Amino acid sequence: EPEVTQTPSHQVTQMGQEVILRCVPISNHLYFYWYRQILGQKVEFLVSFYNNEISEKSEIFDDQFSVERPDGSNFTLKIRSTKLEDSAMYFCASRRQGGQPQHFGDGTRLSIL
Amino acid sequence: DAKTTQPTSMDCAEGRAANLPCNHSTISGNEYVYWYRQIHSQGPQYIIHGLKNNETNEMASLIITEDRKSSTLILPHATLRDTAVYYCIVRVKDSGGSNYKLTFGKGTLLTVNP
Repeated sequence: EPEVTQTPSHQVTQMGQEVILRCVPISNHLYFYWYRQILGQKVEFLVSFYNNEISEKSEIFDDQFSVERPDGSNFTLKIRSTKLEDSAMYFCASRRQGGQPQHFGDGTRLSIL
Repeated sequence: DAKTTQPTSMDCAEGRAANLPCNHSTISGNEYVYWYRQIHSQGPQYIIHGLKNNETNEMASLIITEDRKSSTLILPHATLRDTAVYYCIVRVKDSGGSNYKLTFGKGTLLTVNP
């Protein structure tokens, strides 16, 4: 069964550095998402992306965050200048059009030192 | 989106049915009930969704009450690998261009015991 793939599984970065988290959504999916989960807390929506543009973003998704679909397969989340509070699991999700459910990757654990 | 209420935790014996309740008393007519689960250190996994009829797939069954104010997810023969946090999410079923984000609550921690 097709899966959403995320790399790396764990990323350790110094505070203030840029980080790029990568996702390969399921190949025939059209809608793409990023969520995050701080340790011990709920899964939180960050951003949704469709037709090469952001459809919706949360308050968390400020100017330090950006998303891109640079080619036909990858979907990336960039944090320009990381803060300690950015430490979390970041999940990518994708879905087909219509009423199909979102399918999630297994996440990237981002640790900011 | 309508708010949901789930018990914080439940236990189930291996091999028995696990019945996970969810209250969504403010659900509106065009909102679906989705169930996801999150096994430790993994991403949320889609289980099943429904509008008003009961649904069944290879993973689980979803029973929605006639007034749609509550639902029950049934894992018919729970295994140790079903130990996870189960999320009940109510969301408008999108139509074409809408994006529908998922709003996760705290869910129910189901522990399947040997």
